[in-house]
Amino acid sequence: AQTVTQSQPEMSVQEAETVTLSCTYDTSESDYYLFWYKQPPSRQMILVIRQEAYKQQNATENRFSVNFQKAAKSFSLKISDSQLGDAAMYFCALEKLVFGKGTKLTVNP
Amino acid sequence: EAGVTQFPSHSVIEKGQTVTLRCDPISGHDNLYWYRRVMGKEIKFLLHFVKESKQDESGMPNNRFLAERTGGTYSTLKVQPAELEDSGVYFCASSQEIRTPLQYFGPGTRLTVT
Repeated sequence: AQTVTQSQPEMSVQEAETVTLSCTYDTSESDYYLFWYKQPPSRQMILVIRQEAYKQQNATENRFSVNFQKAAKSFSLKISDSQLGDAAMYFCALEKLVFGKGTKLTVNP
Repeated sequence: EAGVTQFPSHSVIEKGQTVTLRCDPISGHDNLYWYRRVMGKEIKFLLHFVKESKQDESGMPNNRFLAERTGGTYSTLKVQPAELEDSGVYFCASSQEIRTPLQYFGPGTRLTVT
């Protein structure tokens, strides 16, 4: 069975600082996608970043980057220069269609 | 381009009543997914349509849940009769191809069963 674990129910960060959200997963597949989704208080879920397992290079999208450790089955999200608008629930997800419980990120001014 | 829309945004019903949730995917997206998030728990997959056909309905909790997608456009998810444990947020998502990452989610319908 595929599982995704987010061990941090809540995190907080000061504006302009960096925060890392943890995610571990388990799958028997050799090739798969991993995702981080963001759900702001308005509730629309948005894809933040994705990673294909066969690609060794960590994905980066502006201030968002991942640390993908395939052997360790770890997929953490780093948010640099945190902004107030980054405050949201963040969900780690594994193809196919398995989500973690989410991490609520608070950004303090 | 319009995104995925869901209706209603919030529904409050009594135990034993029926509720129908609607999802309009992005035009041209053959793949439509339903998910549910119960408070404090993971987002759980319910089912996947490819056009009007159910590709995977392994996540449907029981036969009180009925999903349809007539004509391969919008989809409905009916809960009948609703139970307290059905409360949660029901999300719909659509994608153009099966393996395309699910980039397009609807805002969700918050269902409260009292």
